[in-house]
Amino acid sequence: GAVVSQHPSRVICKSGTSVKIECRSLDFQATTMFWYRQFPKQSLMLMATSNEGSKATYEQGVEKDKFLINHASLTLSTLTVTSAHPEDSSFYICSARKTSGGPNEQFFGPGTRLTVL
Amino acid sequence: KNQVEQSPQSLIILEGKNCTLQCNYTVSPFSNLRWYKQDTGRGPVSLTIMTFSENTKSNGRYTATLDADTKQSSLHITASQLSDSASYICVVSAIGRGGATNKLIFGTGTLLAVQP
Repeated sequence: GAVVSQHPSRVICKSGTSVKIECRSLDFQATTMFWYRQFPKQSLMLMATSNEGSKATYEQGVEKDKFLINHASLTLSTLTVTSAHPEDSSFYICSARKTSGGPNEQFFGPGTRLTVL
Repeated sequence: KNQVEQSPQSLIILEGKNCTLQCNYTVSPFSNLRWYKQDTGRGPVSLTIMTFSENTKSNGRYTATLDADTKQSSLHITASQLSDSASYICVVSAIGRGGATNKLIFGTGTLLAVQP
């Protein structure tokens, strides 16, 4: 168990458009999901913490109006990159934390490669 | 400042050989330490997770050690295979306010290449 999926796996879009990325916990409920960004040859950087039914908590330097997060259910969180620009091109990874049982561990999705032209 | 440092930055070994990756951290208060394997273009996959009281934990050919006194951890890979080629990331979890929220501090990873 503890599988997290992301959709799409890769997306190419034009500058100025918005892109939505979905993160789903397939076989467990996740009260909390996390969104990370990873640039080439760098480690994951936490962008925001998403809690079901409440507003996301953004890390310092991450624009909440640009990266819209919605966590409407215990199995789904979405990240919308609004008015995307080439500098937003990156690898976006989500993770989900089980609401109950087992160690307090985050399970990562396979990532979404965003390329903004 | 909470930091996680890994060494070496990259490593090339021949198939079948063993290798050891290092992780030093300055994270307080410490909750647990995890090692992840991240294949290129994929999300991280957990290999081991250790709490303060655990000194070693194995997962197949992967063995992680933890010295909470010196704040060091290692990941030993035995009889390497071509499929072990990946980035290995050390992640330390800090206890948040009220002991409830654990924030993950990521190392920059060690890029391992296993050659035939």
